[in-house]
Amino acid sequence: GAGVSQTPSNKVTEKGKYVELRCDPISGHTALYWYRQSLGQGPEFLIYFQGTGAADDSGLPNDRFFAVRPEGSVSTLKIQRTERGDSAVYLCASSPLERSPLHFGNGTRLTVT
Amino acid sequence: SQKIEQNSEALNIQEGKTATLTCNYTNYSPAYLQWYRQDPGRGPVFLLLIRENEKEKRKERLKVTFDTTLKQSLFHITASQPADSATYLCALGHYSGAGSYQLTFGKGTKLSVIP
Repeated sequence: GAGVSQTPSNKVTEKGKYVELRCDPISGHTALYWYRQSLGQGPEFLIYFQGTGAADDSGLPNDRFFAVRPEGSVSTLKIQRTERGDSAVYLCASSPLERSPLHFGNGTRLTVT
Repeated sequence: SQKIEQNSEALNIQEGKTATLTCNYTNYSPAYLQWYRQDPGRGPVFLLLIRENEKEKRKERLKVTFDTTLKQSLFHITASQPADSATYLCALGHYSGAGSYQLTFGKGTKLSVIP
């Protein structure tokens, strides 16, 4: 079946602009995660959704970052007033249950110029 | 502070040999530990999960051990092949305090299997 889909695969934006990154999880997976990965580093946790609600948003670096999952499937990560330090690959993952292995998408590479 | 350390950034081995990757952690009480493989430009792919009360897990040419006393996991690939070349990530599943379990990743070890 289809895996986790992330769009766009690449996004280049200017400093100060607003961006939205989309994640389409595997159908039926109630748990959805956002991670951020910088070059040479492992994925860094941002936020976890169980259904429609954010169960844990402790990894969001500041209030410029926000994520939603209004119907319990597709999720959007929103970044306001982007900064060059936001440049990274943003990974989305889903799983059928909390504590199950994660199924990752291939990420959105965000470049802030 | 909490740390997850993977023994080296890069590991080169000869084809046919066993690759052993190490994951050490401090100040975590993991309920489980997972290993993932990541190829360039792709998301991580799950390989194996081992729980805190398990010592060893195997899957084909892969073996994982988990020692909660030493706070260490070892990941072995036997009869390694050039196709095994990738970055391998260790991830700890632990209670985050925000009411959920969180998976925290190490930096990864880049394995190169030389023909």
